[in-house]
Amino acid sequence: NAGVTQTPKFQVLKTGQSMTLQCAQDMNHEYMSWYRQDPGMGLRLIHYSVGAGITDQGEVPNGYNVSRSTTEDFPLRLLSAAPSQTSVYFCASSYGGQISYNSPLHFGNGTRLTVT
Amino acid sequence: LAKTTQPISMDSYEGQEVNITCSHNNIATNDYITWYQQFPSQGPRFIIQGYKTKVTNEVASLFIPADRKSSTLSLPRVSLSDTAVYYCLVGGTGAGSYQLTFGKGTKLSVIP
Repeated sequence: NAGVTQTPKFQVLKTGQSMTLQCAQDMNHEYMSWYRQDPGMGLRLIHYSVGAGITDQGEVPNGYNVSRSTTEDFPLRLLSAAPSQTSVYFCASSYGGQISYNSPLHFGNGTRLTVT
Repeated sequence: LAKTTQPISMDSYEGQEVNITCSHNNIATNDYITWYQQFPSQGPRFIIQGYKTKVTNEVASLFIPADRKSSTLSLPRVSLSDTAVYYCLVGGTGAGSYQLTFGKGTKLSVIP
């Protein structure tokens, strides 16, 4: 049971380049989400999904796109990278669509992205 | 969604009990309180969850007063390996509950 798997672990992009951060989970979780973590800022929600075909914006969605074609995968796309997107990105999932008893978030180990 | 407030940092000596309090004044009736621990270069991991009164597991206790406007994570006899950032998260099955927003967390430093 791998849990939540994020790839790549590290990535360096030039301004204006595009890329996709991959996230996959093998727990049949309906809820998946993306966070970014910057020094002193905690975790900020970018986008989330409550099931295949359903996505919505979090508190910092600008510059990022998501889609959810399968239950297992929830990729995060940067269409034109900017230095302000330098951050550590975490993917998380949980059973069901909400926080409920015994249904906490499971996190991946993150992707460290640098945009120069 | 309930906003949370925690101390930015705390220091403790090894072997002491550590209590970290989280304020969540606008918690909703159906919200749960969940605490996570994050080590450097890792994703947060679940520690404990509760709704009211007291919950205890093998690593921590969670105290929630009757009004549920705050909660306290208690770590008994901390060791150096407990040095981490601790986050409380409040959410449930109400409207807006999918937007699971973390606060800035509490950085706990355990001193030998």
